[in-house]
Amino acid sequence: NAGVTQTPKFRILKIGQSMTLQCTQDMNHNYMYWYRQDPGMGLKLIYYSVGAGITDKGEVPNGYNVSRSTTEDFPLRLELAAPSQTSVYFCASRIGVRAKNIQYFGAGTRLSVL
Amino acid sequence: KNEVEQSPQNLTAQEGEFITINCSYSVGISALHWLQQHPGGGIVSLFMLSSGKKKHGRLIATINIQEKHSSLHITASHPRDSAVYICAAIPLTNFGNEKLTFGTGTRLTIIP
Repeated sequence: NAGVTQTPKFRILKIGQSMTLQCTQDMNHNYMYWYRQDPGMGLKLIYYSVGAGITDKGEVPNGYNVSRSTTEDFPLRLELAAPSQTSVYFCASRIGVRAKNIQYFGAGTRLSVL
Repeated sequence: KNEVEQSPQNLTAQEGEFITINCSYSVGISALHWLQQHPGGGIVSLFMLSSGKKKHGRLIATINIQEKHSSLHITASHPRDSAVYICAAIPLTNFGNEKLTFGTGTRLTIIP
């Protein structure tokens, strides 16, 4: 198993550009999460999904959109990039069984908006 | 005030020392995670616990639900243990979606 795979690893965007951060997992996990990590701050939840076709907002959803058309994929879309979205983004997944709710993280995407 | 607080923020120790990192939380929780973030940025889950104590190799995690406190201990610390250690709790209000609330992390540096 590859686990949770994020692409790209690094990206520089200009203000106003759009991009999609890709996340895919091959563990057949129901739950998937997108976080952002800013320097000196704890990870903040952007969006999450409890299964294909179901998504919900986290703490900091503004400026982002997600979709979950398959169990494997959970892309994060930035429509009009702003400097405040400069951050490291992590995707995570876990199986739906509550007793085994360890989250598995991707390697992260480092995004700079200039 | 964050719902999850960690201390210390930074910790430097000599190789071989016993390390303790603390985590306190202000809400009722169903479980707590300890995560390790390597210098390269990757995040790995170390423990998930809801009571008592868990041990894996030189790492030990304990939790006291009544006191709303958890600790992560590292015995015989080694430079490869240098990383950021993150505490994350699942508030009872997040039953079902299991959303985590994260501490800001403790940066541990072990000097040879």
